[in-house]
Amino acid sequence: DQQVKQNSPSLSVQEGRISILNCDYTNSMFDYFLWYKKYPAEGPTFLISISSIKDKNEDGRFTVFLNKSAKHLSLHIVPSQPGDSAVYFCAARGNAGNMLTFGGGTRLMVKP
Amino acid sequence: SQTIHQWPATLVQPVGSPLSLECTVEGTSNPNLYWYRQAAGRGLQLLFYSVGIGQISSEVPQNLSASRPQDRQFILSSKKLLLSDSGFYLCAWSPGVGYTFGSGTRLTVV
Repeated sequence: DQQVKQNSPSLSVQEGRISILNCDYTNSMFDYFLWYKKYPAEGPTFLISISSIKDKNEDGRFTVFLNKSAKHLSLHIVPSQPGDSAVYFCAARGNAGNMLTFGGGTRLMVKP
Repeated sequence: SQTIHQWPATLVQPVGSPLSLECTVEGTSNPNLYWYRQAAGRGLQLLFYSVGIGQISSEVPQNLSASRPQDRQFILSSKKLLLSDSGFYLCAWSPGVGYTFGSGTRLTVV
């Protein structure tokens, strides 16, 4: 049973527009949520996180929103840039220590 | 500073051959260590994690094994590779909330 799901395997956005990546979870015990960005043939890199006690966290062009009642989080990238083209993974912490549960990833393509 | 090293970057191995991938962490002690695999077009699958020397937990039954002979060393092994073992293998450690990943190993079993 997947506890963290990213239902959109891919997303295509025009440069300068907003990219919205979504993630749903089922475990209400998760206490931290994170987004990672991954380029081909590289390890994922941390992008932004949010604690379960908050509903929004912003870092430059990246904003993560958390809706606990809906068990849903989203990553907004504004404005989108071609360099943002990558696979984005959402992850949640809470099952055992610092262990993360990852979603299946969403491939974002930002067209120039 | 804390860094994670993973090698080799790429590997092409014949079916039935053994495998050894190594991961080391610098600048910290007693880290939690993880091995993940990303198969082509798929998400990140947790293979093994370790909270200390000699302590290995396996998440999925498979053709692979892991060992932690030293505090900051984590090794992924196989005695006989299968075609289905092909993928991108990632080592990670958790410095706090979240993981820091190594650069990955692209394994192709032919």
